[in-house]
Amino acid sequence: EAQVTQNPRYLITVTGKKLTVTCSQNMNHEYMSWYRQDPGLGLRQIYYSMNVEVTDKGDVPEGYKVSRKEKRNFPLILESPSPNQTSLYFCASGHSGRAGGTQYFGPGTRLLVL
Amino acid sequence: GQQVMQIPQYQHVQEGEDFTTYCNSSTTLSNIQWYKQRPGGHPVFLIQLVKSGEVKKQKRLTFQFGEAKKNSSLHITATQTTDVGTYFCAGGRNSGGYQKVTFGIGTKLQVIP
Repeated sequence: EAQVTQNPRYLITVTGKKLTVTCSQNMNHEYMSWYRQDPGLGLRQIYYSMNVEVTDKGDVPEGYKVSRKEKRNFPLILESPSPNQTSLYFCASGHSGRAGGTQYFGPGTRLLVL
Repeated sequence: GQQVMQIPQYQHVQEGEDFTTYCNSSTTLSNIQWYKQRPGGHPVFLIQLVKSGEVKKQKRLTFQFGEAKKNSSLHITATQTTDVGTYFCAGGRNSGGYQKVTFGIGTKLQVIP
């Protein structure tokens, strides 16, 4: 089954404790992206990746890191989480390029930073 | 940077009434996509529009892309309770050979039975 998976789905942590949210897709998509969703702010892009070893900042990259060592995986790293990073996070993948960029979203990771 | 404005942010309708959400971009788009997110779920792709003035239909849903490729709308005829959710537009523009996508804030639709 074609899908985007994220782990963990729910996470409670404390300020400053490094964490990683994993994202994996099995559709051989070049493009992968991370979003955060907050009430009243919609979906805001954190980072995206056009292909292996190619990443770029989205609209709200501060406090986050990503890596794209393999095509299928795109982990999101919070080196020192803070309470303002409490949010619902979505990973998405799709085909990049001029033809268009339909994105397939993972189920989401709900993060609470105390 | 590119901005995609979406209105209204919330809409309550009686079941059977029509519903429309609008998106407006500050820059010309290559394409626009629409997604639906059910309560507690994740965004799910509905459709993509690419051509100027394009109109596409999916059963009771009608999607339009403006002539200038800067605005779009989603119209639902005779809403049903299954239409409840948040509808997002996402404007795509080509940047360095790849596509950059910016999402609107979303319109949360509530259908009263």
